[in-house]
Parts: sequence; structure tokens; C-alpha cells
Amino acid sequence: DAGVTQSPTHLIKTRGQHVTLRCSPISGHKSVSWYQQVLGQGPQFIFQYYEKEERGRGNFPDRFSARQFPNYSSELNVNALLLGDSALYLCASSRGGMNTEAFFGQGTRLTVV
Amino acid sequence: GENVEQHPSTLSVQEGDSAVIKCTYSDSASNYFPWYKQELGKRPQLIIDIRSNVGEKKDQRIAVTLNKTAKHFSLHITETQPEDSAVYFCAASFSGGGADGLTFGKGTHLIIQP
Repeated sequence: DAGVTQSPTHLIKTRGQHVTLRCSPISGHKSVSWYQQVLGQGPQFIFQYYEKEERGRGNFPDRFSARQFPNYSSELNVNALLLGDSALYLCASSRGGMNTEAFFGQGTRLTVV
Repeated sequence: GENVEQHPSTLSVQEGDSAVIKCTYSDSASNYFPWYKQELGKRPQLIIDIRSNVGEKKDQRIAVTLNKTAKHFSLHITETQPEDSAVYFCAASFSGGGADGLTFGKGTHLIIQP
């Protein structure tokens, strides 16, 4: 039974570039959330998608966007990368609705230089 | 929006002793409170959760208590073992209509001394 998978696992980008991160949820889960975790801090909520619609958005600039596909996988896009965007980006999968147990992927480590 | 405060930031206990980590939240509408364990370089793992209609939940050596009136919840680990060493995060969310983004605390680094 596959867990939450994210790709790539590591990525190095230059300031100003664009990046796309990908996430496949647990089979049967319809909700995907994205979090940013800076070293030494707790994960910060970026987006939540449920049934392919955006259901929640955290306090992040418009450079961050996301979408969910018909198979419930998701992409997180970040434009005009800044050094401060360097972090671990985590995807969490849940069934959605009132059942909110969220299971995390291993994350994508993004380094902006 | 929701704000979650967690303390202590670091907790060192002797193997076999108990550890308690405390969190407070600000939004009285929050109704779901999970705890995650994150080992160095690994993903956060859900270890226990509690919903607002319950005051206490236990799973072997781990228990969580919730006080809705005071808006705080705590994680209790008994008979600590070396493998309990990790960073623990509390979180809170409002669960409804599919929207359940979690607000996390800043984490507690638990160190189990042999």
C-alpha cells in the first residue's frame, strides 16, 4: 500500500527561477495539502485542495500556486524564487471531509541559490 | 487565524521517566488536534490525535488530553525509550467541508537520556 509520494526529493534552483513540485496522495484520499517547513520550525500551511478545488490558503504570496488533477495528484508551483523560499516542502494526504487524519510525504528539499 | 503555542522548545528526560508537552490554541472553532513526531531528515508522522468531543485519548504509552475551555492540549509519553527522541509538533484545525489546513506549533525537541 503506497504512502504519499513526492518528487523530486531534492532540488537546487537559482533566484528568479520557477519550480514545480509534485505529490501523489494515498489511494482513496481526495484531499491534498501543501506545507512549507523551514529548518527548526513547524510546517506552515500553504494550500489545501479537496475534490480538485482550492479549499484553503495560508499566508503566502501570489508567487505560490497549486492545482489538483482528476486523479487527485497535485502540483505546487512557485514563481520568481527568492532565497527565503529555501525549505522542505511537504505534501499531506487525507480523505477530506470530516476525517482529517493527514499523512505526510517525505518532502522536497528546495534550495534557492 | 489560528495560532498555536507549544512549550517547552526542548525537553530532556531520563529513560523510563515521563514527558509532557503542552500546547495552547487561539481559535475556539478548532475541533481537531493531532500530534506529529519528526525524526531528523524524515517526514512528520502522525502519532495520536483528538477531536473536540473527547477529553482524553490513550494509545499504549502515549496519551493526549484536551481542555476546550482553557484552549489547551497536552501530549503525555510514559516510560520513555531512546527511540522516543525526536521533534514533536502539535497542531490544530477546524475540520469541516473538506477544509482542514493544520496550524502547527514550533515543535519540542525531546531528548531521552540513557
